[in-house]
Amino acid sequence: DTAVSQTPKYLVTQMGNDKSIKCEQNLGHDTMYWYKQDSKKFLKIMFSYNNKELIINETVPNRFSPKSPDKAHLNLHINSLELGDSAVYFCASSQVAYQGRLNTEAFFGQGTRLTVV
Amino acid sequence: GQNIDQPTEMTATEGAIVQINCTYQTSGFNGLFWYQQHAGEAPTFLSYNVLDGLEEKGRFSSFLSRSKGYSYLLLKELQMKDSASYLCAVRVRNSGNTPLVFGKGTRLSVIA
Repeated sequence: DTAVSQTPKYLVTQMGNDKSIKCEQNLGHDTMYWYKQDSKKFLKIMFSYNNKELIINETVPNRFSPKSPDKAHLNLHINSLELGDSAVYFCASSQVAYQGRLNTEAFFGQGTRLTVV
Repeated sequence: GQNIDQPTEMTATEGAIVQINCTYQTSGFNGLFWYQQHAGEAPTFLSYNVLDGLEEKGRFSSFLSRSKGYSYLLLKELQMKDSASYLCAVRVRNSGNTPLVFGKGTRLSVIA
């Protein structure tokens, strides 16, 4: 069974288009994330959601808008795509860490390779 | 800002032992994680340290020294399939939903 699944796996689109990436987790986790991995393989946090609420929004352009219809889903919509948006986008989820249980690792989806041409 | 440093690339021989170092300077610390990422795949969890010392898990061990802001991942009896990137990540705050902050990863090549 797939724990964190995201679609599509590959996305090729033209500059200026709007696109969405979907993510679903069946682990019962409370927290979901979007990470961006650039060509140098640096994995950088974009957004963090806890129980459908936005918790963290790193310095990401307004063109990126996450949406969480329920705690098992976190989709990413990107408006007016630019060449620099080309990267691999990873969705991840984890259980909420608390004192006494901090080893709550994040589980990653397979990634969506976005290519803007 | 958060700073997590690892070597960019390493090469080691099949059957040998390799140590991948990670140093961190972060605004807070609540655990250090190591992930493995094969080319074109998702990162997968390897190990976790929050207290000083060594955690062993089969061929993989991870060490932490909080006073030095230092960790290493030790891989023993290297196999060709261990060729991958190894990512060091820190949970910076003790808030339940704090995302992990990642280093830039170390690409390990295992040669025959």
